[in-house]
Amino acid sequence: AQSVTQLDSQVPVFEEAPVELRCNYSSSVSVYLFWYVQYPNQGLQLLLKYLSGSTLVKGINGFEAEFNKSQTSFHLRKPSVHISDTAEYFCAVSDPDDYKLSFGAGTTVTVRA
Amino acid sequence: ETGVTQTPRHLVMGMTNKKSLKCEQHLGHNAMYWYKQSAKKPLELMFVYNFKEQTENNSVPSRFSPECPNSSHLFLHLHTLQPEDSALYLCASSQDQYGDRSYEQYFGPGTRLTVT
Repeated sequence: AQSVTQLDSQVPVFEEAPVELRCNYSSSVSVYLFWYVQYPNQGLQLLLKYLSGSTLVKGINGFEAEFNKSQTSFHLRKPSVHISDTAEYFCAVSDPDDYKLSFGAGTTVTVRA
Repeated sequence: ETGVTQTPRHLVMGMTNKKSLKCEQHLGHNAMYWYKQSAKKPLELMFVYNFKEQTENNSVPSRFSPECPNSSHLFLHLHTLQPEDSALYLCASSQDQYGDRSYEQYFGPGTRLTVT
């Protein structure tokens, strides 16, 4: 199974500033990659996914992520955050022949005015 | 109700109690999952059901007993728990277990369990 490292456990950011959340995974020939968001007192919601094709993936709420195979990374970005983006963000990885998702420990994003 | 619902949202139980967590999905999915979420740790997959059949038990202690009477409902029966079992228990569903559709998992809000 894959292992996933989210390099930042907490990211404070001011409103309208950009944010980048870092995710690295253990190497594999091919992988499927995901970012989920968990708002306070809610379950996880899929933000975006990479299965194949373009390495730049666009998701909901203005988020995007870039798959970098050589660096085994899948970093999440948003050019301008809102207060409502305050949440916990999880990176997840799967081998294409294994349906199971391996999750990172999460990154807490706190957006301040 | 829409999506995936879980009841109760909060549960406090003693180590000798027996309780059950309930999950219901209104998405027409065929695969359902139980996860354990502990603070600052990755989500841990516990059990998977596909078309009502258990297909995965991730070395979960027997004090956790899942039940899936149909594709829409999933239960987690709890007995003789330990304080370290305190966590957020998340239920999820997907179209089915295999293929690309398995990766789009829809999560419920979770049950916050505290074992005293």
